[in-house]
Amino acid sequence: AQSVTQLGSHVSVSEGALVLLRCNYSSSVPPYLFWYVQYPNQGLQLLLKYTTGATLVKGINGFEAEFKKSETSFHLTKPSAHMSDAAEYFCAVRPSMDSNYQLIWGAGTKLIIKP
Amino acid sequence: KAGVTQTPRYLIKTRGQQVTLSCSPISGHRSVSWYQQTPGQGLQFLFEYFSETQRNKGNFPGRFSGRQFSNSRSEMNVSTLELGDSALYLCASSLSGQGHSPLHFGNGTRLTVT
Repeated sequence: AQSVTQLGSHVSVSEGALVLLRCNYSSSVPPYLFWYVQYPNQGLQLLLKYTTGATLVKGINGFEAEFKKSETSFHLTKPSAHMSDAAEYFCAVRPSMDSNYQLIWGAGTKLIIKP
Repeated sequence: KAGVTQTPRYLIKTRGQQVTLSCSPISGHRSVSWYQQTPGQGLQFLFEYFSETQRNKGNFPGRFSGRQFSNSRSEMNVSTLELGDSALYLCASSLSGQGHSPLHFGNGTRLTVT
């Protein structure tokens, strides 16, 4: 069965420090990969997505993610954290050749920014 | 382009009542999905509609139902409400709901059942 694992329900970093949010997936076929962000009392907003081609994907707000097929990972990074990055981040996978094409979601990681 | 609109934003209901939530997708999007979000269970898929037909369904009891109209607007209904139905209900629209077509979410309806 397909699954998505986000390591760490909470991640705390200092303002200005590197942000690294981990996402590993299991999929029997090449997947489409997504990162979403959810701010308090709001819906989810697409940060970036991987389809095919370049494995380093740039998104909004200075975030980027790298698809590593050998590691079945799609970790999200940002070089320098800002207070406004405090939110919950979700990784999602859609197996590209699966007839049941609903997104499979990770449990989410809450990013805490320390001043 | 206007985003996904969900109404109402907040709702308080009593056990046993029923509730209807509404979702207007982004213009041109034909797929509408509904999710339940709770602190304990995370994001759980309820169902997806495409061109007025339910195309996918999650593992929820029959008390949860939905429909989609010809203009792609969608409604979700929960009958005989239980305390455990208290959650944030999110609607998301997509051009196709397939492949690399991403979901675009509304801000949700927060339902509290007392």
